[in-house]
Amino acid sequence: GAGVSQSPRYKVTKRGQDVTLRCDPISSHATLYWYQQALGQGPEFLTYFNYEAQPDKSGLPSDRFSAERPEGSISTLTIQRTEQRDSAMYRCASSLAPFGNTIYFGEGSWLTVV
Amino acid sequence: AQTVTQSQPEMSVQEAETVTLSCTYDTSESDYYLFWYKQPPSRQMILVIRQEAYKQQNATENRFSVNFQKAAKSFSLKISDSQLGDAAMYFCAYRSNAGNNRKLIWGLGTSLAVNP
Repeated sequence: GAGVSQSPRYKVTKRGQDVTLRCDPISSHATLYWYQQALGQGPEFLTYFNYEAQPDKSGLPSDRFSAERPEGSISTLTIQRTEQRDSAMYRCASSLAPFGNTIYFGEGSWLTVV
Repeated sequence: AQTVTQSQPEMSVQEAETVTLSCTYDTSESDYYLFWYKQPPSRQMILVIRQEAYKQQNATENRFSVNFQKAAKSFSLKISDSQLGDAAMYFCAYRSNAGNNRKLIWGLGTSLAVNP
């Protein structure tokens, strides 16, 4: 696609429910990142993929968070048993080359847990 | 661990004037990149400028330029001829250029207001 596309843009869910966020990176982009950005804060790294490999998931806050990119293109971020502290914007970003330094961000998915 | 510090939570500038946003970082690495990103009210994240640590020449993109002081670990952003559309949150970010640890490490941001 023309840019990094994320869906849904806005999600309100009840505490305890599972949510899945989707990221469609720019076509053929090798590296895909997930960041979490709370209101008034800078983004915090969650995980990244080079194609379908996931070399670093050290930023995932707990085992309730998981991410997949099974075919090296679209990625999903799943949060199980959501808690209010999970409320944040979840940003996806991609780069053409592995570890490329031109990184394109999506518009983010706003998650509110009530 | 690397850290990025933006000591100015808020700044303001008059339209057409120049403003400088500060950023300092801490690292023991020698090979890395530094970035400034702009986040307007729409909450997009837009790359403003990028600097490679091995390049001594300061990066410039039109009205945006940086003052990169590697020894001092300082990376300030200068916006010349400020425009109303420059009003946004500005984030400074660091990224290692070695190994598998390629995540962006972000400062807390500086909110820039541009007064007409």
